[in-house]
Amino acid sequence: EAQVTQNPRYLITVTGKKLTVTCSQNMNHEYMSWYRQDPGLGLRQIYYSMNVEVTDKGDVPEGYKVSRKEKRNFPLILESPSPNQTSLYFCASSFMGASGFTGELFFGEGSRLTVL
Amino acid sequence: GQNIDQPTEMTATEGAIVQINCTYQTSGFNGLFWYQQHAGEAPTFLSYNVLDGLEEKGRFSSFLSRSKGYSYLLLKELQMKDSASYLCAPTDSWGKLQFGAGTQVVVTP
Repeated sequence: EAQVTQNPRYLITVTGKKLTVTCSQNMNHEYMSWYRQDPGLGLRQIYYSMNVEVTDKGDVPEGYKVSRKEKRNFPLILESPSPNQTSLYFCASSFMGASGFTGELFFGEGSRLTVL
Repeated sequence: GQNIDQPTEMTATEGAIVQINCTYQTSGFNGLFWYQQHAGEAPTFLSYNVLDGLEEKGRFSSFLSRSKGYSYLLLKELQMKDSASYLCAPTDSWGKLQFGAGTQVVVTP
């Protein structure tokens, strides 16, 4: 089954304790990205990757890191989480053509993170 | 950069039609996504428009005018399950994608 898998789905942690949210897709997509969603602010792009070893900042990259060492995985790293990073996080992936998206952006089920 | 404008909320009765407008200003515009999202769930794909014109998929249709920076999503024969947030998301050619704040559609009996 074609899917984007995020883990963990739910996490409560404390300020400053490094954590990684994993994202994996089995569709051989070139493009992967991370979003956070907060009430009243909608989905905001954190980082995105057009292919292996190619990553770019989205609109809200501060406090986050990513890496794209393999095509299928795009982990989101919070080196020193703070309470303002409490949010619902979504990973997504898609095929990319020479001029951009060619179709659906597939979303994972989301990871609800609480930083105390 | 990208500026996206869509209404905050729309209310309609079951069986009616609702049109959700989205205007955008996007550098290097490539295409525009529409997604449906129920609270706490992942967004669900509705359409991706690259060319001008109307695309119809069952009860949902999406329209794009690239020259006007304008799109709309048309929901016909509204059902209670259509109560959700509808997200407009223009994209550029380099992978940057920004979602609008969403339009909450409330369907009443």
